[in-house]
Amino acid sequence: GAGVSQSPSNKVTEKGKDVELRCDPISGHTALYWYRQSLGQGLEFLIYFQGNSAPDKSGLPSDRFSAERTGGSVSTLTIQRTQQEDSAVYLCASAGGPWDTDTQYFGPGTRLTVL
Amino acid sequence: TQLLEQSPQFLSIQEGENLTVYCNSSSVFSSLQWYRQEPGEGPVLLVTVVTGGEVKKLKRLTFQFGDARKDSSLHITAAQPGDTGLYLCAGGRGSGNTGKLIFGQGTTLQVKP
Repeated sequence: GAGVSQSPSNKVTEKGKDVELRCDPISGHTALYWYRQSLGQGLEFLIYFQGNSAPDKSGLPSDRFSAERTGGSVSTLTIQRTQQEDSAVYLCASAGGPWDTDTQYFGPGTRLTVL
Repeated sequence: TQLLEQSPQFLSIQEGENLTVYCNSSSVFSSLQWYRQEPGEGPVLLVTVVTGGEVKKLKRLTFQFGDARKDSSLHITAAQPGDTGLYLCAGGRGSGNTGKLIFGQGTTLQVKP
């Protein structure tokens, strides 16, 4: 079946603009995660959704960052008033399929460049 | 604070050589995962270890979880150019998919033919 998809694949924006990044998880997965990755580095956790529970927002770096997950499926990560330090690859992962609950499946990421 | 320290951060070797990547922490994890990531793609899970002292083998790759569940290693035997990529360890605190993963900073491996 289809994997995790993210859009856009690349986004270039000017400092101060708002951006929205989209994640389409694997159908039926109950959990969805957002991570941020700087060039050649490890992943930094941002936010985690599990079913209908309140999301774990403990990794969001500032109140300029927010995310929602509509209908338990698609998620949107919004960054307001972007700064140059927001430039990174934003990765989404989903997990919780019926036969493989432990594995997080990652999308290809959105590369965000803030000029 | 980097909870998971990976070493080395960069490794360039010749085809056929062996190598070991280390992932260390002062914290205990309920599970430890290793991922491999290629440019322009998301990480792909290689293995999950959950029991202290556990050893898992995946072809030429051997993964070990420390007895105290604070550290792990990845050993590659007879590396091949196709092994080139970014290797990431990640620690989990919950069971299953019940929580976030804490990632190390990654080891970039280059295997030259």
